[in-house]
Formats: sequence, C-alpha cells, structure tokens
Amino acid sequence: DAKTTQPPSMDCAEGRAANLPCNHSTISGNEYVYWYRQIHSQGPQYIIHGLKNNETNEMASLIITEDRKSSTLILPHATLRDTAVYYCIVRGLGSSNTGKLIFGQGTTLQVKP
Amino acid sequence: NAGVTQTPKFQVLKTGQSMTLQCAQDMNHEYMSWYRQDPGMGLRLIHYSVGAGITDQGEVPNGYNVSRSTTEDFPLRLLSAAPSQTSVYFCASSSGTKDGYTFGSGTRLTVV
Repeated sequence: DAKTTQPPSMDCAEGRAANLPCNHSTISGNEYVYWYRQIHSQGPQYIIHGLKNNETNEMASLIITEDRKSSTLILPHATLRDTAVYYCIVRGLGSSNTGKLIFGQGTTLQVKP
Repeated sequence: NAGVTQTPKFQVLKTGQSMTLQCAQDMNHEYMSWYRQDPGMGLRLIHYSVGAGITDQGEVPNGYNVSRSTTEDFPLRLLSAAPSQTSVYFCASSSGTKDGYTFGSGTRLTVV
C-alpha cells in the first residue's frame, strides 16, 4: 500500500473550517484514501473514504486531487471536540493486503477557542 | 448492536505470565485486526484476519498468537508476557469491503 505524508500538527480556531492535507504520491489505481481520527485514549474512529471523487458525509468532506496524489480532509465547522490525531491511510482492496490497515503518525489537530 | 467488545479493559501481569485478550464483534464482519499503541506513539498492527480460519502477521507479531475459529471472535494470546508488551491494545473489525473499520475501546495492559 502507498505511503502517506501528513504534517505533524495543525491548529484551527473553533467554528472555522479545518483543512487537513495528506500526500500520497505513490497511490495506485485500486487504492482508496481513508481518514480516521483518534480522540485522546479512545479507539480510532472511521471518518470517511474515497477513491477519486470528492466525498461528503455528516462528519467531513474529502477532496481528492485529479491526479490522486494528494487529498484534503475538511471539517467544516471545527469544535473543541474535534481535537484529535487524524490519520490518512491508503488501502488497496482486492489484493493480498486487503485486510491490512497500517497507520502512520497522523496530524494532531488542536482546535482552539 | 454492541459493536466491538474488548475484555478486560485493564490488566496487570507479571513477567512470564500468559493471558488472552478477548475481542468479539456482533456485526458479522469478516475482517478483524489487533493493534498495539505505546504511550505517545501511533498504532501498530499485530495480527489480522480476513475470515474464520485465516490469520496473518502484521507489523509487530512477535510474542503474540491469534486464532479465528468463529467470525465473531478474535482472541490475542500473550504466551509469556514481557515488560515491552506494556501497551494499549485495540481490536477492530470491518465488513471486508471498502467500509471502514470499527474499533473497540481498548485493553490497557501493564507487565511488571
């Protein structure tokens, strides 16, 4: 599975949009981009995933560039409860590695009042 | 649905003792995984399974055994606990398609 690169930390003002970038320049055609977050001491929580189209759900939006080499997770109105470590993960499906979900270091998002 | 249930939530072991961390899911998920997370660190994959009777090693499998005799359960066994295995252990499951994984609340293990 392709590796990802994320900034180690970011700040965001409460009520503003949080835009978390992720680079995955070696992504291949059958690999999806997944986002998870981990709030302090809790188990990780799935947020959203996409292949090549932009995706939106009740938690966030995922914007994937046309060449698929990078993506951005958008939390439209960040709250203090969104303070967490956010992980961008590339995962291939339909391969021998389908069952493996490998976490990197993630981005620590601090939402400030 | 209870989701992914991990037991126990806390455990203290002496070096050399053995124990089994339990993980059960009631979502009929095919894929299950075990992770460990050391203080201030990211999650590392220990073992995973893509269905009953099928298991494979992750990033840090040494010192741990797993089996998957049913779809619902995926126990993690420590045969001879070492202080280096002090960590928080998370179990996760997924339907096996492109859906995301659901994680349990973790087991906090201390080996003294």
